Amino acid sequence: EAGVTQFPSHSVIEKGQTVTLRCDPISGHDNLYWYRRVMGKEIKFLLHFVKESKQDESGMPNNRFLAERTGGTYSTLKVQPAELEDSGVYFCASSHGHNSPLHFGNGTRLTVT
Amino acid sequence: GQSLEQPSEVTAVEGAIVQINCTYQTSGFYGLSWYQQHDGGAPTFLSYNGLDGLEETGRFSSFLSRSDSYGYLLLQELQMKDSASYFCAVRATGGFKTIFGAGTRLFVKA
Repeated sequence: EAGVTQFPSHSVIEKGQTVTLRCDPISGHDNLYWYRRVMGKEIKFLLHFVKESKQDESGMPNNRFLAERTGGTYSTLKVQPAELEDSGVYFCASSHGHNSPLHFGNGTRLTVT
Repeated sequence: GQSLEQPSEVTAVEGAIVQINCTYQTSGFYGLSWYQQHDGGAPTFLSYNGLDGLEETGRFSSFLSRSDSYGYLLLQELQMKDSASYFCAVRATGGFKTIFGAGTRLFVKA
């Protein structure tokens, strides 16, 4: 089966600009998660979709971050406007059930200058 | 709050055994998992402990003690390719999110 794919792999933007990250989960996985890792720190939970519904968005830092999963397939995470502290690696993961292991993508490395 | 603690770095030699510890403090507990991440790659699932005791998968074993809020990952017959970051993770109650530690960077030397 194809794995979780994320696009782009890298993005360098200036403070104040907008960036949209995309995640394609494994086909048939209803659960989709976004995480972020800032260098050397924990892989921090951002939010969780079940199909197209937001199950838990308690980890979203603020209203500059907007995640969508229209149709319950791929998901996008938009940062607008970006700030310096938004830099990090953004991981997407999917799972078949909420008890199942997470399958991660390779991440998008976002650098805000 | 919820937190997981694990050492930041561990160094070992090829062929040796290494243990990576993890202590956690979470609101509720559904199980402890371990993930491996090579530089630039995706974290990949290694093991899961839902109950106390030892789970073995080839060269890797994982242990859990729920009463101590403690677990460890044991890597035997270390190989150079085992050099990677290892994350412990807990699925807590109050939702279905999985919470990760900061990772342990394992360096395997020849």
